[in-house]
Amino acid sequence: SQTIHQWPATLVQPVGSPLSLECTVEGTSNPNLYWYRQAAGRGLQLLFYSVGIGQISSEVPQNLSASRPQDRQFILSSKKLLLSDSGFYLCASSRDRGREGIGYTFGSGTRLTVV
Amino acid sequence: SQKIEQNSEALNIQEGKTATLTCNYTNYSPAYLQWYRQDPGRGPVFLLLIRENEKEKRKERLKVTFDTTLKQSLFHITASQPADSATYLCALSEMKTSYDKVIFGPGTSLSVIP
Repeated sequence: SQTIHQWPATLVQPVGSPLSLECTVEGTSNPNLYWYRQAAGRGLQLLFYSVGIGQISSEVPQNLSASRPQDRQFILSSKKLLLSDSGFYLCASSRDRGREGIGYTFGSGTRLTVV
Repeated sequence: SQKIEQNSEALNIQEGKTATLTCNYTNYSPAYLQWYRQDPGRGPVFLLLIRENEKEKRKERLKVTFDTTLKQSLFHITASQPADSATYLCALSEMKTSYDKVIFGPGTSLSVIP
């Protein structure tokens, strides 16, 4: 089964500082990878998805970027954080597009507070 | 516009009863629908997936129905326990070409009272 390692668990950063969140996947190869953000009391908003190394697509225009330097590594970055970037960031992996009845595997999330 | 809606109010039920959570969608044509459980401060955990050609799926005390005419899925937890208290998310997928784009609902908070 898949396992997603995501770190750090919590992060407090000042406005204007850079950001780097990392996610690594175990137990599968060539997964689709996703970054979601969840605001308090809100649903999950898809930020980026990747179907392979170096292939990144953005769902919403924003202050963030993503990269996939290796098959099982997905990185979320920002050059200058805004207050509105605060939230709960989740990395997710999928591989079967519903064929095997297996849903997404999520990491444990990073709680980012921009101050 | 496209929407996914779940029970807007938190659901409180007595231990041992059946909890029923609702997911309604508008202007989507999902190939399949999923349900997840999320505990505070944690990532969602996958529970069940039901495809557009399936009407019902069961797993232990969980049952999911999917009505593409009503554009609705119901999620049932029978013989509920306090440990079932969590937020439950429904999510649908429209099977875009290169990846399975999954859109999540806002979630329903369930509290099972001993």
